[in-house]
Amino acid sequence: KNQVEQSPQSLIILEGKNCTLQCNYTVSPFSNLRWYKQDTGRGPVSLTIMTFSENTKSNGRYTATLDADTKQSSLHITASQLSDSASYICVVSPSRDTGRRALTFGSGTRLQVQP
Amino acid sequence: KAGVTQTPRYLIKTRGQQVTLSCSPISGHRSVSWYQQTPGQGLQFLFEYFSETQRNKGNFPGRFSGRQFSNSRSEMNVSTLELGDSALYLCASSLVLAGGQDEQFFGPGTRLTVL
Repeated sequence: KNQVEQSPQSLIILEGKNCTLQCNYTVSPFSNLRWYKQDTGRGPVSLTIMTFSENTKSNGRYTATLDADTKQSSLHITASQLSDSASYICVVSPSRDTGRRALTFGSGTRLQVQP
Repeated sequence: KAGVTQTPRYLIKTRGQQVTLSCSPISGHRSVSWYQQTPGQGLQFLFEYFSETQRNKGNFPGRFSGRQFSNSRSEMNVSTLELGDSALYLCASSLVLAGGQDEQFFGPGTRLTVL
């Protein structure tokens, strides 16, 4: 069964510090992996997307890495800000042609940045 | 360009009732997908509509249905509500049907509470 596991479940850090969120998946075959940020009371917003051939992708202070061999991805947040407080969701797509029903979502990491 | 809009934002119903949620996609987007998000299960795919036709369907009972109109606006209906249907229902739109690296843009969601 395709699965996406995220860790930690929740995280509290001080403003200005860096942090790394983890995503392990068993989805196969693999097409792409996307990280979303979801603010409380809002819908998810895409941060990065990577195909199996990409190792890293940046979006401002967010940097995602992918190791397709070990089926692991991480999202690194640099110099955290209060506005980074949100849930971060990892989503894996198994194939270009299987449609959205095959998307596998992680349960998310809830990040809280404190002043 | 206006984002994805969903109405209503909050809804309280009792068991056995039915409910209709509405979604207006980004102008020009023809694909609309619906997701259920709960703390325990995370995001789960309900169905996707493209050009007024259901193209993909997740593993939900027949009480969950939807439709899409010629202007791409979509509605989803849940009949005979159960307590477990309490969730955040998210709508997402994209330019095309799922495939490749197309990005979905999510609305703010409708928070449904079933008492």
